[in-house]
This record gives sequence, C-alpha cells and structure tokens, in this order.
Amino acid sequence: NAGVTQTPKFQVLKTGQSMTLQCAQDMNHNSMYWYRQDPGMGLRLIYYSASEGTTDKGEVPNGYNVSRLNKREFSLRLESAAPSQTSVYFCASTLRGGTTANYGYTFGSGTRLTVV
Amino acid sequence: RKEVEQDPGPFNVPEGATVAFNCTYSNSASQSFFWYRQDCRKEPKLLMSVYSSGNEDGRFTAQLNRASQYISLLIRDSKLSDSATYLCVVNIAWAGNNRKLIWGLGTSLAVNP
Repeated sequence: NAGVTQTPKFQVLKTGQSMTLQCAQDMNHNSMYWYRQDPGMGLRLIYYSASEGTTDKGEVPNGYNVSRLNKREFSLRLESAAPSQTSVYFCASTLRGGTTANYGYTFGSGTRLTVV
Repeated sequence: RKEVEQDPGPFNVPEGATVAFNCTYSNSASQSFFWYRQDCRKEPKLLMSVYSSGNEDGRFTAQLNRASQYISLLIRDSKLSDSATYLCVVNIAWAGNNRKLIWGLGTSLAVNP
C-alpha cells in the first residue's frame, strides 16, 4: 500500500546510546518531516526537508540530526539519547511543503521510543 | 495565548448525535487550515482541509471564520467509529518566507452506543 513507512515501531535505548529512525514514502512527495508527540505538548517539528537535497531545523532540533538520503527516504538520528527524548516520533510527507505547506500531510505509523 | 487552542473535551455523545468542535488561532496571517483525526496510539490522518467558503465531506462540515479567527468541525449522525481525537492545524508564516503547521492538542470525542 502506498504511504509512509517508519521503522522501528518500538525501541528502548539506554542513555547515551545512538540510533537512527528510518522513514520512506512512495507517493513521490517532495517534502518530508520529523515530528515528536508528547502528552500535553502536541506535535512539534524536529526537522524537515522541503525537497531532496535540503534539510532545515524545526522547533525542537537539539539532540537530533537528519539525512535526506534521496527523494523517498528521510532518516532521523539520535547521537546520544537522553531521557528527555522519550516520545512518539512521526515521519510525515506532503506533495510540496516548505514555503507553501498548503497540502495535507501523510504520516507514518510512528516510533515509540523510550530512553532509560 | 497559544497559537492554536482547542477544548480538550472529552465530548461524550450518543450515536446519531450532532457534535461540533471549535478551534481558535492567534495568527491573523494564517493561510490554510486542516482537521486531522488521531485514533489512540495511531498516527494523525487528514480528515479535511478547511476552505474560506466552508466545505462539506459527507457527515463532516468545516467552517472558517477569519474575522473571529476560529475554525469549526461539525459531525452529523455520529458513528461509533468517529471516536477519536480531532486535531486542528493551522499554517502560519515562519522564518522568513517559510510556513509551518501549528498543531492543536486535540479534542477528544467518544461516541457511545
């Protein structure tokens, strides 16, 4: 089925460990996003990629890095995980975002990350 | 004031009822608006965009009031499957020419048999 695929679905890390969350979309979308969702905080943008070859910081980029590997794939890396990064992470894509952001987003099913 | 505010609910309604949610936004330059639904422990899914003239999709009607800076979602003939959290989303100007989406915290709806 067409859509956004995220892996892994669940992960437990120890403080200081690193990991990469993978995201791929097969809808030929140009823009991709990484969000985190925490109780009482809503969805917050970590990083986004308006188009292949570009990445930009969102509202809460500290502690994260991203790579837009190609048009389909956008990965999120935690270099040294901290308990404050315990959250649900969603990848999303849209046809054309960035300066317009007038299109709806399609989300992956999420990664539930716990850092102990 | 939060950029996007929603009544968290929960709204408990019987099947077949009509229910309405409002969402207020603070940035008068907001350009586009959306309603998403999110089921428990699932990803948000686009329900509908909200157009200036208002729009309808089956049992769902969205309205925009720019003067009062709010959008609304009306659900008619509620179904059990409508039980979810409804997220209001507003597109605002951010960091020069960029725009970004601001997400509300959601309104919880429970439709009861």
